[in-house]
Amino acid sequence: DIQMTQSPSSLSASVGDRVTITCRATQSITTNLIWYQQKVGKAPKFLIYAASSLQRGVPSRFAGSGSGTDFTLTISSVQPEDFATYYCQQNNSMPRTFGGGTTVEIK
Amino acid sequence: EVQLVESGGGLVQPGGSLRVSCAASGFTFSNSWMSWVRQAPGKGPEWVASIKQDGTDKYYVDSVKGRFTISRDNAKKSLYLQMNSLRAEDTAVYYCTTGGGNFGNWGQGTLVTVSS
Repeated sequence: DIQMTQSPSSLSASVGDRVTITCRATQSITTNLIWYQQKVGKAPKFLIYAASSLQRGVPSRFAGSGSGTDFTLTISSVQPEDFATYYCQQNNSMPRTFGGGTTVEIK
Repeated sequence: EVQLVESGGGLVQPGGSLRVSCAASGFTFSNSWMSWVRQAPGKGPEWVASIKQDGTDKYYVDSVKGRFTISRDNAKKSLYLQMNSLRAEDTAVYYCTTGGGNFGNWGQGTLVTVSS
C-alpha cells in the first residue's frame, strides 16, 4: 500500500500569511494526488485534483504542485475561511490512502 | 446540485450487523463510480470501498474484506454498505462519495458506533 505523510501536522498563521503544506508518498504516484479541506463537523471538500488542477469554485489563492512522491499545497494569502484541516490523498492505486492531515490554525 | 444523503447509522454491539444507505440526486447516478469513506473520531478519512457504475467491479480496504459488502441500485439511485461482524475499530462517520478515486462530492455522513 502507498503511505501518505503530511507535514507539518499543524501550523499557526495570521490572515494574509502564505501557508505551505507538504505531502509525501512512499512511491511514485505521478500526479495522481488530491487535496481536500475539512472544517469542524463537516465533510471533506474536494479542492485540487491531478496535483495542481483547482476544482471549479475554489479560490485562486489555493495552488497545488508536485509530481512523483513530493507534493505541496500553498495558500498564497490565507483568509479567515481557510482555517481548517487539509488532507492529501493518492488515487494512483488501490487502496486509496489519505495523509494524516494538517490543521491550519489562527495565530 | 449533487446531493448525497446517508442513513442507517446507529449503535450496534461488537459482532453485530448494520446496513447504511445513501440516496443520490442531482447527477447521473448510473454513470458514476461510488464509494464509502469513513472517519473515526479525531482521525483522518479512510477509504472503505468503491463500486463501478454497473456494480461489476468492487474494491475494499483490507480491514473490511469479507465483512463489508458495497452494492448499488441504479434504478433507485441508491448506494449501500452492508457491514457484518462489526468491531470497535469500525466506529466512525461513514460518508457516501461520488467517484472511485477522486471523491468529488460527499454526503453529510452517518455515525456508526460499535460498542457493548
